[in-house]
Amino acid sequence: AQSVTQLGSHVSVSEGALVLLRCNYSSSVPPYLFWYVQYPNQGLQLLLKYTSAATLVKGINGFEAEFKKSETSFHLTKPSAHMSDAAEYFCAVSDRQAGTALIFGKGTTLSVSS
Amino acid sequence: EAGVAQSPRYKIIEKRQSVAFWCNPISGHATLYWYQQILGQGPKLLIQFQNNGVVDDSQLPKDRFSAERLKGVDSTLKIQPAKLEDSAVYLCASGWSSDSPLHFGNGTRLTVT
Repeated sequence: AQSVTQLGSHVSVSEGALVLLRCNYSSSVPPYLFWYVQYPNQGLQLLLKYTSAATLVKGINGFEAEFKKSETSFHLTKPSAHMSDAAEYFCAVSDRQAGTALIFGKGTTLSVSS
Repeated sequence: EAGVAQSPRYKIIEKRQSVAFWCNPISGHATLYWYQQILGQGPKLLIQFQNNGVVDDSQLPKDRFSAERLKGVDSTLKIQPAKLEDSAVYLCASGWSSDSPLHFGNGTRLTVT
């Protein structure tokens, strides 16, 4: 069965600092991988997705993630945090062959201080 | 394009009562999903539709939850009777196909007292 593990339920950074949110996946087949962001009282918004075209994926709002098969990881990074980045971030996986629905991690809350 | 519409935004009911949620997906999207998001957790899939057929309902508590997608467009999710542990945000999402990114609605926040 597929699953994702997000290390750290809460990450705090200063404005302008590097953002690193960790995600490890478990899958017996090459998966599709996603990062979503959720602002308070809103639905989830797609940040970026990995579908095997390139291991380094660039998303919206300056975020990017790198797929590392050897480490079964798909960590999310942003070089310089902005106050508006404060939100809940979810990593998700799906089985590309079976067309299954997304399975989400438990989420990481990002706090940004000035 | 218009996003995924959900209603109501908030609902408060007492345990053992029934409740229904409505979802209007993005026009043309074949797949529709209902997720349950309990406070502090990631969304958990309840049911997946492909057009008006059910693809996966293995995690739907069928003794109390039901969902339908008539004509392959709008969908309703019903809980009857509700339990305290059903308090959560119910998210609807849609996509062009099963391997395309999902577009989420803003959700319905259910409180069961």
